[in-house]
Amino acid sequence: DTEVTQTPKHLVMGMTNKKSLKCEQHMGHRAMYWYKQKAKKPPELMFVYSYEKLSINESVPSRFSPECPNSSLLNLHLHALQPEDSALYLCASSQEGFGSPLHFGNGTRLTVT
Amino acid sequence: GEDVEQSLFLSVREGDSSVINCTYTDSSSTYLYWYKQEPGAGLQLLTYIFSNMDMKQDQRLTVLLNKKDKHLSLRIADTQTGDSAIYFCAEIDQAGTALIFGKGTTLSVSS
Repeated sequence: DTEVTQTPKHLVMGMTNKKSLKCEQHMGHRAMYWYKQKAKKPPELMFVYSYEKLSINESVPSRFSPECPNSSLLNLHLHALQPEDSALYLCASSQEGFGSPLHFGNGTRLTVT
Repeated sequence: GEDVEQSLFLSVREGDSSVINCTYTDSSSTYLYWYKQEPGAGLQLLTYIFSNMDMKQDQRLTVLLNKKDKHLSLRIADTQTGDSAIYFCAEIDQAGTALIFGKGTTLSVSS
């Protein structure tokens, strides 16, 4: 069982919809991450939050908007997505940034129609 | 730039040992990681090794690190069908701002 919980597990959305992915951890970790993973590829970093502040944005299109309401929660707001955005979206957390191991959730499988 | 290389496939019989190899480029990496991903699931942190260590053993898993050759390996003893998955090697980049993954090795275990 993972200690990083992501909801929903699956999401199908149209290109005009607005939806949000949620991630929660109660390990007291101060860094949280969003990754995108296409089939049979390694995960690609999208965003990093450190102490609830956005510290890294890997040139992600503005149709993806992250939010960190508190140290345990991380959201990813989605709007006007494209079919090529269909992927597995993984949340991760670590104690203190990349110097400590990342713990991943099971991901949200997103399909954009 | 930093790069992590892995072979893409490994096929073994149940009960045999599996050895998954990885080479990396950034000699300043402090930690090197192995993650396991089963179909439809997220990444599970299997084990990690600090760069000043040569070997780490954890039950059926043995990690070997050769810093001189920048080579990391994961040995799974008594491989079971439940070990079938994709295994990712990863290192921290030089700036400490990203986790660089290899392309992943698909381990197939036949009974």
